[in-house]
Amino acid sequence: DAKTTQPPSMDCAEGRAANLPCNHSTISGNEYVYWYRQIHSQGPQYIIHGLKNNETNEMASLIITEDRKSSTLILPHATLRDTAVYYCIVRGTGFQKLVFGTGTRLLVSP
Amino acid sequence: DGGITQSPKYLFRKEGQNVTLSCEQNLNHDAMYWYRQDPGQGLRLIYYSQIVNDFQKGDIAEGYSVSREKKESFPLTVTSAQKNPTAFYLCASSVRDRGVNQPQHFGDGTRLSIL
Repeated sequence: DAKTTQPPSMDCAEGRAANLPCNHSTISGNEYVYWYRQIHSQGPQYIIHGLKNNETNEMASLIITEDRKSSTLILPHATLRDTAVYYCIVRGTGFQKLVFGTGTRLLVSP
Repeated sequence: DGGITQSPKYLFRKEGQNVTLSCEQNLNHDAMYWYRQDPGQGLRLIYYSQIVNDFQKGDIAEGYSVSREKKESFPLTVTSAQKNPTAFYLCASSVRDRGVNQPQHFGDGTRLSIL
């Protein structure tokens, strides 16, 4: 799996957009970008994934650069409940374990 | 609602004792997984199963055993051979759709501690 790099921590004001970056410069053509988050003492929660087109669901938007070497997860209106560790993962379509790095700890403040 | 249920939420093990962690899913997913998470660290794969009656070792299978007798159930036994079992254990499942493995979905975990 391609390696990902994320900032260790970010802050965001409640109600503002949270933009979480991820670098994956060694991604290969058939690898997807996945985002999960983990709130303290809970299991990881799937957020969104994409291959090369931008994706949006009820939780977030995923913007992938044209060269696919980086991506940004956007939480459009962050709430206090979005405080969590966010993980960016790159993996292919076959069976593969999920490899969680250290992620980005997002703190949403009032 | 469909989901993954892990039980118990907290579990204590005495020295030399085997304990079994339960994982049940009603999502009709074929694949199920067990991960271990230590404080401040990422997930490590213990065992996984892609189909009933079949399972494979992950990266840290020593001291653990599993069974997959039913599609919806994938229990994990932590044996006395596992010398450092204190951790947060996570079960996940996923479905394969048109040749593509879909995202894994997780339960809320079992926190195992040694007495």
